Amino acid sequence: QSALTQPPSASGSPGQSVTISCTGTSSDVGGYNYVSWYQQHPGKAPKLMIYEVSKRPSGVPERFSGSKSGNTASLTVSGLQAEDEADYYCGSYAGSINLGVFGTGTKVTVL
Amino acid sequence: EVQLLESGGDLVQPGGSLKLSCAASGFTFSSYAMSWVRQAPGKGPEWVSLITGSGGSTYYADSVKGRFTTSRDNSKNTLYLQMNSLRDEDTAVYYCAKKLGVGMLGPTFDYWGQGTLVTVSS
Repeated sequence: QSALTQPPSASGSPGQSVTISCTGTSSDVGGYNYVSWYQQHPGKAPKLMIYEVSKRPSGVPERFSGSKSGNTASLTVSGLQAEDEADYYCGSYAGSINLGVFGTGTKVTVL
Repeated sequence: EVQLLESGGDLVQPGGSLKLSCAASGFTFSSYAMSWVRQAPGKGPEWVSLITGSGGSTYYADSVKGRFTTSRDNSKNTLYLQMNSLRDEDTAVYYCAKKLGVGMLGPTFDYWGQGTLVTVSS
């Protein structure tokens, strides 16, 4: 199972929005509504930000939103803040014989 | 408060073995599937294994199948990962992670431990 494809980097100024893509296939992202997004600061464990494409766990700000179209999922961070600077990874269910797959990661820089 | 605390990471030679532990607290451990997820330096996470709440079923990534074994002791609220025939490419930080909900599919983990470093090198 190949990793999902994400752009290596993305950036925006404080207050702006940034959108990160996550491209898979019909066997993972496109086939199921089980896409998750994680935020990871250096030296820390990943933190769940979005699950099941667009749901936010308790405590995650509303400015984090998720969507999906075909084989590509997206994470949008609106109203960028300094603390949003981190690596972001997507993940997807990939069928009953596969545990699932993560993305290659995107480093978000707040300018 | 949910806490996951891994231990057991170390430097080991290729072909060697190591057993990781993850002590859980703050939730009903036996009700949730648990996983091991690893992350090599500078790389994205890789799902290693999953074990159901009862421990009756286990699933592994192809990269570790036949070499790694996941188990749990629900009486001790502890998750384990026995790693045999270790290879250079197994070098990574190993995290234990709790599934967000019962029956949820895919990599949906709401709590992660702090990670334990496994280095495979001669």
